[in-house]
Amino acid sequence: DGGITQSPKYLFRKEGQNVTLSCEQNLNHDAMYWYRQDPGQGLRLIYYSQIVNDFQKGDIAEGYSVSREKKESFPLTVTSAQKNPTAFYLCASSRRRTRSTGELFFGEGSRLTVL
Amino acid sequence: SQQGEEDPQALSIQEGENATMNCSYKTSINNLQWYRQNSGRGLVHLILIRSNEREKHSGRLRVTLDTSKKSSSLLITASRAADTASYFCATDAGEETSGSRLTFGEGTQLTVNP
Repeated sequence: DGGITQSPKYLFRKEGQNVTLSCEQNLNHDAMYWYRQDPGQGLRLIYYSQIVNDFQKGDIAEGYSVSREKKESFPLTVTSAQKNPTAFYLCASSRRRTRSTGELFFGEGSRLTVL
Repeated sequence: SQQGEEDPQALSIQEGENATMNCSYKTSINNLQWYRQNSGRGLVHLILIRSNEREKHSGRLRVTLDTSKKSSSLLITASRAADTASYFCATDAGEETSGSRLTFGEGTQLTVNP
């Protein structure tokens, strides 16, 4: 079935460690996104990519890094520079449109906890 | 920056009643979308309404858009316990230089009591 797969579902990290969250899609979508969600709050955009080998910072990019070497994959690294990384991370994809964003398809999320 | 703001933050109703959630935003938009999120899960797209549309229906969902007031509402008719979830509006401001992206509000937590 087509969709977005995020892994791992749960992740624990010690302070000072970098961790990488995986996001893979088989929907043939050009655009991919990473959002962060804190308890009881909405989603905030970390990074997004409209096409392979290109990506832009969102509203809260500090302490995070991404790569987009393949169309299907958009991994997110949470670095030790991110001061408050405990959150629920959501990856999404969409068909690329030049002037508007269409429907986003979301993965099931990865919950990161810093010990 | 937060574009959409939902109202109310929480809503509790009985099964069979209608639920109305509102969203306000600040800048001009290309479209506005509504999403649903069950606890601990990813978001699911419900409906998209373009800036030149005023009303849209999908099953038990009715969405209205008033661009002069920069607001939208989501109506769920004849609610069911399975409708219990958080509902988010998201706006697309269409930033041509850096690529289009959605900005989400903080959501309305809907509880439908059996």
